[in-house]
Amino acid sequence: DTGVSQNPRHKITKRGQNVTFRCDPISEHNRLYWYRQTLGQGPEFLTYFQNEAQLEKSRLLSDRFSAERPKGSFSTLEIQRTEQGDSAMYLCASREMNTEAFFGQGTRLTVV
Amino acid sequence: QKEVEQNSGPLSVPEGAIASLNCTYSDRGSQSFFWYRQYSGKSPELIMFIYSNGDKEDGRFTAQLNKASQYVSLLIRDSQPSDSATYLCAVSVNNAGNMLTFGGGTRLMVKP
Repeated sequence: DTGVSQNPRHKITKRGQNVTFRCDPISEHNRLYWYRQTLGQGPEFLTYFQNEAQLEKSRLLSDRFSAERPKGSFSTLEIQRTEQGDSAMYLCASREMNTEAFFGQGTRLTVV
Repeated sequence: QKEVEQNSGPLSVPEGAIASLNCTYSDRGSQSFFWYRQYSGKSPELIMFIYSNGDKEDGRFTAQLNKASQYVSLLIRDSQPSDSATYLCAVSVNNAGNMLTFGGGTRLMVKP
Protein backbone atom coordinates (compact mmCIF):
# COMPACT_ATOMS: atom_id res chain seq x y z
CA ASP A 1 0.00 0.00 0.00
CA THR A 2 1.60 3.26 -1.10
CA GLY A 3 -0.94 5.63 0.46
CA VAL A 4 -0.69 7.72 3.62
CA SER A 5 -0.70 5.47 6.68
CA GLN A 6 -1.75 6.49 10.19
CA ASN A 7 -1.45 4.58 13.43
CA PRO A 8 -3.25 3.80 15.59
CA ARG A 9 -6.66 3.95 13.93
CA HIS A 10 -8.42 4.35 17.24
CA LYS A 11 -7.22 5.49 20.64
CA ILE A 12 -9.18 5.69 23.87
CA THR A 13 -7.39 7.42 26.71
CA LYS A 14 -8.17 8.79 30.12
CA ARG A 15 -8.17 12.51 30.66
CA GLY A 16 -4.73 13.73 31.66
CA GLN A 17 -2.80 11.02 29.83
CA ASN A 18 -0.39 11.66 26.97
CA VAL A 19 -0.97 10.18 23.54
CA THR A 20 1.15 9.98 20.40
CA PHE A 21 0.02 9.36 16.84
CA ARG A 22 2.14 8.43 13.86
CA CYS A 23 1.80 9.30 10.17
CA ASP A 24 3.76 7.74 7.32
CA PRO A 25 3.30 9.87 4.20
CA ILE A 26 3.53 8.81 0.58
CA SER A 27 7.27 8.29 0.16
CA GLU A 28 8.06 10.94 -2.44
CA HIS A 29 5.93 13.64 -0.79
CA ASN A 30 7.96 16.32 0.96
CA ARG A 31 5.00 18.14 2.51
CA LEU A 32 3.07 16.73 5.44
CA TYR A 33 0.05 18.22 7.17
CA TRP A 34 -1.90 17.48 10.33
CA TYR A 35 -5.58 18.34 10.56
CA ARG A 36 -8.20 17.81 13.25
CA GLN A 37 -11.84 17.06 12.52
CA THR A 38 -14.68 17.08 15.02
CA LEU A 39 -18.13 15.64 14.37
CA GLY A 40 -20.11 17.56 11.79
CA GLN A 41 -17.25 19.90 10.93
CA GLY A 42 -14.68 20.05 8.17
CA PRO A 43 -11.03 19.32 8.94
CA GLU A 44 -9.08 22.19 10.56
CA PHE A 45 -5.42 22.78 9.85
CA LEU A 46 -3.04 22.16 12.76
CA THR A 47 0.51 22.17 11.42
CA TYR A 48 2.65 21.67 8.33
CA PHE A 49 6.10 20.28 7.57
CA GLN A 50 8.25 20.66 4.52
CA ASN A 51 10.77 17.85 4.81
CA GLU A 52 11.86 17.95 8.47
CA ALA A 53 11.09 21.64 9.02
CA GLN A 54 7.88 22.58 10.81
CA LEU A 55 6.98 25.74 8.89
CA GLU A 56 3.57 26.68 10.21
CA LYS A 57 1.41 26.02 13.23
CA SER A 58 -2.23 26.97 13.71
CA ARG A 59 -3.41 28.89 16.75
CA LEU A 60 -5.46 25.73 17.40
CA LEU A 61 -2.23 23.98 18.33
CA SER A 62 -1.94 24.70 22.04
CA ASP A 63 1.22 24.18 24.09
CA ARG A 64 0.02 20.67 24.91
CA PHE A 65 0.43 19.67 21.27
CA SER A 66 3.76 18.97 19.65
CA ALA A 67 4.62 17.53 16.27
CA GLU A 68 7.86 16.28 14.81
CA ARG A 69 9.08 14.95 11.51
CA PRO A 70 12.61 13.66 12.10
CA LYS A 71 14.57 13.03 8.89
CA GLY A 72 11.69 14.32 6.84
CA SER A 73 9.95 10.95 6.67
CA PHE A 74 7.26 9.89 9.16
CA SER A 75 5.71 12.38 11.57
CA THR A 76 4.40 12.12 15.11
CA LEU A 77 1.78 14.23 16.85
CA GLU A 78 1.81 14.17 20.64
CA ILE A 79 -0.89 15.52 22.92
CA GLN A 80 0.08 15.95 26.54
CA ARG A 81 -2.39 16.03 29.43
CA THR A 82 -5.33 15.21 27.20
CA GLU A 83 -8.67 16.90 27.74
CA GLN A 84 -12.14 15.81 26.67
CA GLY A 85 -12.15 18.60 24.09
CA ASP A 86 -9.26 16.88 22.34
CA SER A 87 -11.60 14.08 21.26
CA ALA A 88 -11.60 14.21 17.47
CA MET A 89 -10.34 12.55 14.31
CA TYR A 90 -6.71 13.48 13.66
CA LEU A 91 -5.92 13.41 9.97
CA CYS A 92 -2.57 13.43 8.25
CA ALA A 93 -2.13 14.42 4.61
CA SER A 94 0.85 14.56 2.30
CA ARG A 95 1.56 16.14 -1.05
CA GLU A 96 4.26 17.17 -3.46
CA MET A 97 4.56 20.84 -4.37
CA ASN A 98 1.63 22.03 -6.49
CA THR A 99 -0.19 18.71 -6.39
CA GLU A 100 -3.28 17.63 -4.52
CA ALA A 101 -3.13 16.40 -0.93
CA PHE A 102 -3.91 12.80 -0.03
CA PHE A 103 -5.24 11.91 3.39
CA GLY A 104 -4.55 8.94 5.61
CA GLN A 105 -7.32 6.97 7.30
CA GLY A 106 -7.08 9.12 10.41
CA THR A 107 -6.71 8.38 14.10
CA ARG A 108 -9.89 8.70 16.12
CA LEU A 109 -9.12 9.86 19.64
CA THR A 110 -11.63 9.50 22.45
CA VAL A 111 -10.75 11.07 25.81
CA VAL A 112 -12.82 9.70 28.67
CA GLN B 1 -17.79 34.70 8.88
CA LYS B 2 -16.23 31.38 8.00
CA GLU B 3 -13.62 31.42 5.27
CA VAL B 4 -15.29 28.59 3.33
CA GLU B 5 -19.05 28.22 3.53
CA GLN B 6 -21.21 25.26 2.57
CA ASN B 7 -24.82 24.44 3.26
CA SER B 8 -24.73 21.57 5.75
CA GLY B 9 -27.76 19.87 4.21
CA PRO B 10 -28.85 17.18 4.05
CA LEU B 11 -29.39 17.52 0.33
CA SER B 12 -31.72 14.76 -0.77
CA VAL B 13 -31.99 13.76 -4.43
CA PRO B 14 -33.57 10.74 -6.12
CA GLU B 15 -31.39 8.16 -7.79
CA GLY B 16 -30.49 9.22 -11.33
CA ALA B 17 -30.94 12.93 -10.68
CA ILE B 18 -28.31 15.66 -10.73
CA ALA B 19 -26.97 16.71 -7.34
CA SER B 20 -25.68 20.28 -7.12
CA LEU B 21 -23.34 21.18 -4.27
CA ASN B 22 -22.23 24.75 -3.66
CA CYS B 23 -19.40 26.48 -1.85
CA THR B 24 -18.37 30.11 -1.34
CA TYR B 25 -15.05 31.37 -0.07
CA SER B 26 -13.90 34.68 1.32
CA ASP B 27 -10.17 34.87 0.52
CA ARG B 28 -9.71 36.39 -2.94
CA GLY B 29 -6.15 35.06 -2.91
CA SER B 30 -7.45 31.48 -3.09
CA GLN B 31 -6.10 29.82 -6.19
CA SER B 32 -6.75 26.09 -5.85
CA PHE B 33 -10.09 24.47 -5.19
CA PHE B 34 -10.85 20.92 -4.21
CA TRP B 35 -13.83 18.68 -3.60
CA TYR B 36 -13.42 15.78 -1.20
CA ARG B 37 -15.95 13.06 -0.47
CA GLN B 38 -16.12 11.68 3.04
CA TYR B 39 -18.09 8.63 4.09
CA SER B 40 -19.14 8.41 7.70
CA GLY B 41 -16.19 7.48 9.91
CA LYS B 42 -13.73 7.56 7.02
CA SER B 43 -11.13 10.07 5.87
CA PRO B 44 -11.66 12.57 3.03
CA GLU B 45 -11.10 11.25 -0.49
CA LEU B 46 -10.22 13.67 -3.30
CA ILE B 47 -12.68 13.55 -6.18
CA MET B 48 -12.05 16.78 -8.13
CA PHE B 49 -9.77 19.78 -8.21
CA ILE B 50 -10.01 22.95 -10.29
CA TYR B 51 -7.65 25.89 -10.69
CA SER B 52 -9.14 27.96 -13.54
CA ASN B 53 -12.47 29.67 -14.06
CA GLY B 54 -15.03 27.57 -15.89
CA ASP B 55 -16.02 23.94 -15.86
CA LYS B 56 -13.97 20.80 -15.42
CA GLU B 57 -15.56 17.43 -16.08
CA ASP B 58 -14.45 14.00 -14.87
CA GLY B 59 -16.90 11.19 -15.49
CA ARG B 60 -20.16 11.94 -13.68
CA PHE B 61 -18.59 14.88 -11.81
CA THR B 62 -18.30 18.48 -12.98
CA ALA B 63 -16.59 21.18 -10.95
CA GLN B 64 -17.42 24.80 -11.72
CA LEU B 65 -15.35 27.79 -10.59
CA ASN B 66 -16.22 31.47 -10.69
CA LYS B 67 -13.44 33.48 -9.04
CA ALA B 68 -15.21 36.82 -9.55
CA SER B 69 -18.15 35.55 -7.50
CA GLN B 70 -15.89 33.52 -5.18
CA TYR B 71 -18.02 30.50 -5.86
CA VAL B 72 -17.23 26.88 -6.62
CA SER B 73 -19.70 24.08 -7.22
CA LEU B 74 -19.82 20.36 -7.83
CA LEU B 75 -22.40 18.67 -10.01
CA ILE B 76 -22.95 14.93 -9.78
CA ARG B 77 -24.88 13.51 -12.72
CA ASP B 78 -26.87 10.25 -12.57
CA SER B 79 -26.58 10.22 -8.76
CA GLN B 80 -26.28 6.79 -7.19
CA PRO B 81 -27.03 5.68 -3.62
CA SER B 82 -23.28 5.05 -3.27
CA ASP B 83 -22.74 8.81 -3.75
CA SER B 84 -24.43 9.39 -0.38
CA ALA B 85 -21.71 10.99 1.72
CA THR B 86 -20.51 14.35 3.00
CA TYR B 87 -18.86 16.51 0.36
CA LEU B 88 -16.17 18.86 1.58
CA CYS B 89 -15.09 21.94 -0.33
CA ALA B 90 -11.50 23.03 0.30
CA VAL B 91 -9.46 25.97 -0.95
CA SER B 92 -5.82 26.89 -0.74
CA VAL B 93 -3.72 29.94 -1.36
CA ASN B 94 -0.55 29.33 -3.36
CA ASN B 95 1.74 30.38 -0.55
CA ALA B 96 4.60 28.28 0.74
CA GLY B 97 2.34 26.03 2.75
CA ASN B 98 -0.60 25.39 0.43
CA MET B 99 -2.59 24.24 3.43
CA LEU B 100 -6.25 23.58 2.84
CA THR B 101 -9.11 25.50 4.39
CA PHE B 102 -12.24 23.38 4.48
CA GLY B 103 -15.91 24.16 4.59
CA GLY B 104 -18.12 22.30 7.01
CA GLY B 105 -19.34 19.92 4.33
CA THR B 106 -22.70 19.17 2.72
CA ARG B 107 -24.36 15.85 3.45
CA LEU B 108 -25.80 14.31 0.31
CA MET B 109 -28.44 11.59 0.43
CA VAL B 110 -29.34 9.80 -2.78
CA LYS B 111 -32.59 7.88 -2.40
CA PRO B 112 -33.20 4.72 -4.47
